[in-house]
Order: sequence, then structure tokens, then C-alpha cells
Amino acid sequence: AQSVTQPDIHITVSEGASLELRCNYSYGATPYLFWYVQSPGQGLQLLLKYFSGDTLVQGIKGFEAEFKRSQSSFNLRKPSVHWSDAAEYFCAVGAADSNYQLIWGAGTKLIIKP
Amino acid sequence: DAGVIQSPRHEVTEMGQEVTLRCKPISGHNSLFWYRQTMMRGLELLIYFNNNVPIDDSGMPEDRFSAKMPNASFSTLKIQPSEPRDSAVYFCASSRTGGSPLHFGNGTRLTVT
Repeated sequence: AQSVTQPDIHITVSEGASLELRCNYSYGATPYLFWYVQSPGQGLQLLLKYFSGDTLVQGIKGFEAEFKRSQSSFNLRKPSVHWSDAAEYFCAVGAADSNYQLIWGAGTKLIIKP
Repeated sequence: DAGVIQSPRHEVTEMGQEVTLRCKPISGHNSLFWYRQTMMRGLELLIYFNNNVPIDDSGMPEDRFSAKMPNASFSTLKIQPSEPRDSAVYFCASSRTGGSPLHFGNGTRLTVT
């Protein structure tokens, strides 16, 4: 079955500390992979995407993610978080043939300690 | 670029009433999506339009839900009659094509009492 797992419902990190949010997927086809961020009261915003090529992708706001096919993972990282990064983060996977159907993770809520 | 515009931002209604949610996608985007977000079920795709034509409405919960896209710049999601279990945040999103990254509106928070 196709699925996306974000094992951490909540993560708390101190401002300035590094961050890694986990995402594992189960998908039969070559995947397109996405990370979106949702701030309170707002819609989701694309952070970064992986379609092909370099497995380390850079996104907005200083985020990066690494696609590891052998581990079926697409973890999101940031070397130093800011209080404004507090939000909910969603991983999603879709087919590489323009299939519109995205499989969404349940989200990870990031809490920043001052 | 004003982004995807949804209205209203908040809607409170009584059970049995008709509710209409509105969406203006980004100009030039050919694909439009309606999603529902709840704590229990997360993000659910309700319906997908491509070039104003409904392609997949398998996510629409039941006949009480209907969606239209009369032109490339406007879509509606209607619930009639509404029920308390319809309470959720409804998002509209658009993209250049069906497989392109999505651009979300800020959502409509619907409360049915």
C-alpha cells in the first residue's frame, strides 16, 4: 500500500539548534517528493521538492532534504532553526508521471524553545 | 501574483443550512484541487479539476457535497445540507499541471453547529 509516515507528531528544539524531520514512504512507482510547511491559520507552502537528479535538494528558508532511495526516506533538515520556523511540516509523495494524487504524511508540529 | 484566494475565511452555520465556499486560483494554473483538513483525518483530497473539468471526485464524502468550476478563474464547493461532522478547514489549491507543486489558499474554517 502507498503511504507516507512522519513518525514524530511533535518535535521541540531550541532556537539555534539543528533540526531533522523524518519522512518515510512506501510507493510503487518512481516518486516525486515534497515538503510543505503550514503556519497557524494559513495554507500549506512548498518548501522544496525532489523530482530527479541530485538527491540533496535545497529549499526556501534555509531548509534542505535528502532523498535516500535505499531507505525510502526524504528527511528535512535545517542547521539552525529560528523562532519563525515554528509550524507544522508535511511530507508528500506523488508519481513521477504527473499523477495529481499526492499521498500526505500526518504532519510534524515543530515547537521552538527560546 | 495574489496567490490562491479563498472566501470566506471563516464560516459558522447551523446544521441543515447550505454552505458555499469560493476559490480563485492563480492565473495560468490549469489544475485546481479542493482539500479538507481535520485533526482526525489530516489532509484529504475532495476533488480535482483540470482545465475546468472535474477529473476525480472520488474524495467527495457524499452527495451533499458538490463542486463546480464554471471558468478558469473561479470554483465553488457547496455543502447542502451541512452537518456538524463537516466542520473542518477547507483548502483550495492550484498548480500549473496536475503533477506540479501545489499553491494553497489560506483556507476556509467551517464550523457547523
